[in-house]
Amino acid sequence: EVQLLESGGGLVQPGGSLGLSCAASGFTFSSYAMSWVRQAPGKGLEWVSGTGTSAGDTQYADSVKGRFTISRDNSKNTLHLQMNSLRAEDTAVYYCAKRGGSGTYAFDIWGQGTMVTVSS
Amino acid sequence: EIVLTQSPGTLSLSPGERATLSCRASQTISSNSLAWYQQTPGQAPRLLIYGASSRATGIPDRFSGSGSGTDFTLTISRLEPEDFAVYYCQQRGSSPLYTFGQGTKLEIK
Repeated sequence: EVQLLESGGGLVQPGGSLGLSCAASGFTFSSYAMSWVRQAPGKGLEWVSGTGTSAGDTQYADSVKGRFTISRDNSKNTLHLQMNSLRAEDTAVYYCAKRGGSGTYAFDIWGQGTMVTVSS
Repeated sequence: EIVLTQSPGTLSLSPGERATLSCRASQTISSNSLAWYQQTPGQAPRLLIYGASSRATGIPDRFSGSGSGTDFTLTISRLEPEDFAVYYCQQRGSSPLYTFGQGTKLEIK
């Protein structure tokens, strides 16, 4: 079964740091681009960051650029998101999402999400 | 930045009726970059349509997508009770790499 499982969410103070992980199974992880997408409480979806199949091929939304770092460990089938200098507006459910195959610019598999709350 | 505007914000219909949801882009986008998702409360989004008109694996044929240029449509031919949810369109651009519309809530009338 194709599956993504996020972990690492929690409560953190403004200015703090948190690391999220996403464990992938059921597909060849190294062959697919991956992204993080977040959803603030009661709001819509916002793409946060993405990575291609190779290290160094990373992209960020302007809202997180310079504060968040995405990485992947293809040997462990795991996607990471390191979040620094967190702000109240970063409070959201964070989803890990797999992009479809070549030429498919959509996310065909999503994890269940992990909640990040930034509050004092 | 390309902005996607979905309409209506809320659509009230009855089971068995036809639903038409709109997604308009602020500038011309490639059809192969337009996707639609369904999200029910407490759940992750589910991919319905990619490439503007291709159904994702396991999606019933009552869901269809169409459009090109700046105007795209998701049609649900005959609403089932499980179709009442929030629907998002999404496109792949350059910066940011992906953007989503603000969503259309499809509610039971």
